[in-house]
Amino acid sequence: DAGVTQSPTHLIKTRGQQVTLRCSPKSGHDTVSWYQQALGQGPQFIFQYYEEEERQRGNFPDRFSGHQFPNYSSELNVNALLLGDSALYLCASSPIIPYGYTFGSGTRLTVV
Amino acid sequence: KQEVTQIPAALSVPEGENLVLNCSFTDSAIYNLQWFRQDPGKGLTSLLLIQSSQREQTSGRLNASLDKSSGRSTLYIAASQPGDSATYLCAVPLTGGGNKLTFGTGTQLKVEL
Repeated sequence: DAGVTQSPTHLIKTRGQQVTLRCSPKSGHDTVSWYQQALGQGPQFIFQYYEEEERQRGNFPDRFSGHQFPNYSSELNVNALLLGDSALYLCASSPIIPYGYTFGSGTRLTVV
Repeated sequence: KQEVTQIPAALSVPEGENLVLNCSFTDSAIYNLQWFRQDPGKGLTSLLLIQSSQREQTSGRLNASLDKSSGRSTLYIAASQPGDSATYLCAVPLTGGGNKLTFGTGTQLKVEL
């Protein structure tokens, strides 16, 4: 049973560019959440998608946007990249009732 | 606002020692509490999930307890091994707050030979 799959694993972008990260949830999970983890910190919640809609959002600017597709997979888009956006981006899936989360291996984004 | 604190921030122990990692949270209205392991630069691996109605969960050498009323959880690792070296994170979703997870900053564990 495949867990959560994220792509790409690593990415280097230039300041001001745009980036798209992708996530396929664990089989049977319909809710996808995205987290940003800076070095030495715990993950910070970005937003959550359920039924193709953004259900919750953390304290992140509108430069961060997302999408969920009918097959429950999801994308995270970040526009106008800043150096401070460099981080590990984690995708997590769960059933809508929180019986526990499964995380992917993450995408390491470096903005130069 | 839920705040999660983990103590200690870092821990170094000799192989074979039993150890306890602590997690505290400020709002006891939680569905469950989850402990994760993170290796450097990697994603999170779920270790144990304790539902709010449970007091503890065990998996192999790991045992996690939950005391909702006092806002505390502990992760007990028995007979530690060098392969246990990693960062351990606890996380809670808020009841009625959707299932957004709030994380602690983690305990960085090093088990030495």
